[in-house]
Amino acid sequence: QSALTQPASVSGSPGQSITISCTGTSSDVGGYNYVSWYQQHPGKAPKVMIYDVSNRPSGVSNRFSGSKSGNTAALTISGLQAEDEADYYCSSYTSSRTLVFGGGSKLTVV
Amino acid sequence: EVQLVQSGAEVKKPGESLKISCKGSGYSFTSHWIGWVRQVPGKGLEWMGIIYPGDSDSRSSPSFQGQVTISADKSVSTAYLQWSSLKASDTAMYYCARLGRGFPPGYMDVWGKGTTVTVSS
Repeated sequence: QSALTQPASVSGSPGQSITISCTGTSSDVGGYNYVSWYQQHPGKAPKVMIYDVSNRPSGVSNRFSGSKSGNTAALTISGLQAEDEADYYCSSYTSSRTLVFGGGSKLTVV
Repeated sequence: EVQLVQSGAEVKKPGESLKISCKGSGYSFTSHWIGWVRQVPGKGLEWMGIIYPGDSDSRSSPSFQGQVTISADKSVSTAYLQWSSLKASDTAMYYCARLGRGFPPGYMDVWGKGTTVTVSS
């Protein structure tokens, strides 16, 4: 199975909003409301930020939100802060009863 | 506190075997799937597979099927990832993670710190 498609890099200024897209197919992103997003800082383990397309785990800032339209999911971060600078990965359940990650997007807060 | 504690870094030669571990605590180990994720240095996350310690049901990514073995011993709350013959291309960080609410959906809510595996002659 192919990795989900994410932009390699995104950037924004403090206080701004950015959106990271995650494009799959009808066999993964488009077929299920089981998209999750992970944040990974250098040298650290990933951390789940969004699950089931748009749900935030307890403790995750409400500046993070998720959505989906067709075969494309999106993570939006509003009110960008320096600490948001990290790599972000989407993941989806698939029709093969497996999971697949996106290639990852490096967020730079300039 | 819910946590996953992974075994320490490994340095191996090509062709050697290896088994790394992931011990869960602070929750019912048999009630949550455990997944394994590979991250090659400087690259992205790759989903390898999952196991349900309650009955050892498992799923694997086609990319890793036949390359590794995922197992679990519920008596010691530990999941394992095993290679019978390592290759240099297996050099990576390996994370275990708990699936938060079953499979599907399959999101990973608690992660281990990772085990670095280096394969070099």
